Amino acid sequence: EVQLVESGGGLVKPGGSLRLSCAASGFIFSSYSMNWVRQAPGKGLEWVSSISSRSNYIYYADSVKGRFTISRDNAKNSLYLQMNSLRAEDTAVYYCASPLYYSNFDYWGQGTLVTVSS
Amino acid sequence: SYELTQPPSVSVSPGQTARITCSGDALPNQYAYWYQQKPGQAPVLVIYKDSERPSGIPERFSGSSSGTTVTLTISGVQAEDEADYYCQSADSSGTYQVFGTGTKVTVL
Repeated sequence: EVQLVESGGGLVKPGGSLRLSCAASGFIFSSYSMNWVRQAPGKGLEWVSSISSRSNYIYYADSVKGRFTISRDNAKNSLYLQMNSLRAEDTAVYYCASPLYYSNFDYWGQGTLVTVSS
Repeated sequence: SYELTQPPSVSVSPGQTARITCSGDALPNQYAYWYQQKPGQAPVLVIYKDSERPSGIPERFSGSSSGTTVTLTISGVQAEDEADYYCQSADSSGTYQVFGTGTKVTVL
């Protein structure tokens, strides 16, 4: 069974940093690209970043470029999102999502809430 | 940046048909996907590659494409279909992913 479990969310002040993690299991993690998607309270889904299976292709949404860094450790079956210079508008539930059979976002974790507030 | 536009809301009576549109300039060249999201839950894929249905998704969900618009159709809507629905695709280069603005389906 595919499982994606996010962690690392919490309350942080504007300008602060946070590192999110996503632990993957139930599939060959090292063979698939991975994604982060966020959802602000009461708002829609927003793609944040993608990373290829061997980390040689990395893409970011314009809204986070230069502030967020996606990475992965295939030996640990883990995906990360380093978030720096956080702003109030970064407040959201952050999901990690993986492809497998049909799309880039076949499986989703339960999400981790990041709140940026003073 | 590239955008996918959906109507904010669609209301439908049980047993009737709901249609949700999604418009974007790159849709003639990029596949569209549809996700259902219920309150407090992660999204679930209901349609992939414009019109294909994943295993386990009821046959009442179908998708179609015409030019710069894709459509999700829910035939014989049931109360359990009340949810937010998002289309998803990529920009013309296929590099950057984008989600639609989302449509809230209300079953009257």
